[in-house]
Amino acid sequence: QSALTQPASVSGSPGQSITISCTGTSSDVGGYNYVSWYQQHPGKAPKVMIYDVTDRPSGVSNRFSGSKSGNTASLTISGLQAEDEADYYCSSFTTSNTRIFGTGTKVTVL
Amino acid sequence: QVQLVDSGGGVVQPGRSLRLSCAASGFIFSSYGMHWVRQAPGKGLEWVAVLWYDGSTKYYADSVKGRFTISRDNSKNTLYLQMNSLRAEDTAVYYCAREYSNNCFDPWGQGTLVTVSS
Repeated sequence: QSALTQPASVSGSPGQSITISCTGTSSDVGGYNYVSWYQQHPGKAPKVMIYDVTDRPSGVSNRFSGSKSGNTASLTISGLQAEDEADYYCSSFTTSNTRIFGTGTKVTVL
Repeated sequence: QVQLVDSGGGVVQPGRSLRLSCAASGFIFSSYGMHWVRQAPGKGLEWVAVLWYDGSTKYYADSVKGRFTISRDNSKNTLYLQMNSLRAEDTAVYYCAREYSNNCFDPWGQGTLVTVSS
């Protein structure tokens, strides 16, 4: 199964908002509300930022929010900060009970 | 605190085997499903396998099916990944992760590097 499709890069200035898309199919993103998002800084393990499409784990800034429409999920980062510069990956449950990750998006803070 | 520690990586020749371990602490290990996820150098995340909390059910990515086996010892709070018939394309950092909620990986281990090379 191919990876979910994400833009390779997204950039924004401090204080701005950016949105990262994650496109799959009805067999994964569109079929379940089990989409999660991960932040990964260089050389570090990923960290969950959003799960179940919209839920934020305790300790994660409310500047991060998630949504979904059809086969596309989105992660929005508002009030962009220098520390948000990292790689971001989406993930979804699939009809075959496996999991699938997105291609990854590099966020640059200008 | 909730923690996962990955170990067992190293350099191995193509066709050989390797077993990775993931030691869990700070939570009731036997109550959670566990995953392995890998990341090739400079590449994105790739899901590898999942094992249910009681070891009863497991699923694999097509790229490793028939070659890798995920298992656990709940008495030792440890997850394993037995990797056989290794290929160059299996070279990656391997992370274990707890399934905190449906398709929510939290936390992650620190990762262990597997290099398949002659």
